[in-house]
Amino acid sequence: GENVEQHPSTLSVQEGDSAVIKCTYSDSASNYFPWYKQELGKRPQLIIDIRSNVGEKKDQRIAVTLNKTAKHFSLHITETQPEDSAVYFCAASGYNTDKLIFGTGTRLQVFP
Amino acid sequence: SAVISQKPSRDICQRGTSLTIQCQVDSQVTMMFWYRQQPGQSLTLIATANQGSEATYESGFVIDKFPISRPNLTFSTLTVSNMSPEDSSIYLCSVAFYREETQYFGPGTRLLVL
Repeated sequence: GENVEQHPSTLSVQEGDSAVIKCTYSDSASNYFPWYKQELGKRPQLIIDIRSNVGEKKDQRIAVTLNKTAKHFSLHITETQPEDSAVYFCAASGYNTDKLIFGTGTRLQVFP
Repeated sequence: SAVISQKPSRDICQRGTSLTIQCQVDSQVTMMFWYRQQPGQSLTLIATANQGSEATYESGFVIDKFPISRPNLTFSTLTVSNMSPEDSSIYLCSVAFYREETQYFGPGTRLLVL
């Protein structure tokens, strides 16, 4: 079955710097890759997603890139702010399935 | 998206008892899922709740321990049976609309088993 690896597990950056989180997946048939942000004590919230027919997607300070050949995708946050501090999860869903398999999470801390 | 609620929001239970968690959505959804998130960990899919039929369980989860109901397109329950301290976790439901892969999560139920 699908397996999703996520790195790093923790990431500390200075406010204004960029942050990059990387994920790799095992199932070459996976075609949907969402990213969720989970603040302490809150539910996971979708922040951006990408489908396998697209290589990059941007939404203001957030971007996701997908390399299907290498089976990895990355989240890029530019001009980080303290409110970006949270745990971020990547996920992948396989072809013809509605299930999401989640990565292990990255705890991002942005210091003012 | 959708407005998703869960009841209870938290509970403290004695070992050997059972707890039923409810998930209610304000609009009809195609898919409903139940996840477990242990402290400081990622989300693990327990099962897919199928409307009008038995749930589809993931490896490591069984119906006797986690019975699930989904009587209609807006409501589902997850029961955690014969609880032990190892069942202490956050249980989350998620939903997806017809022909959409995006899943939206409920607020979660924090369970502590003593």
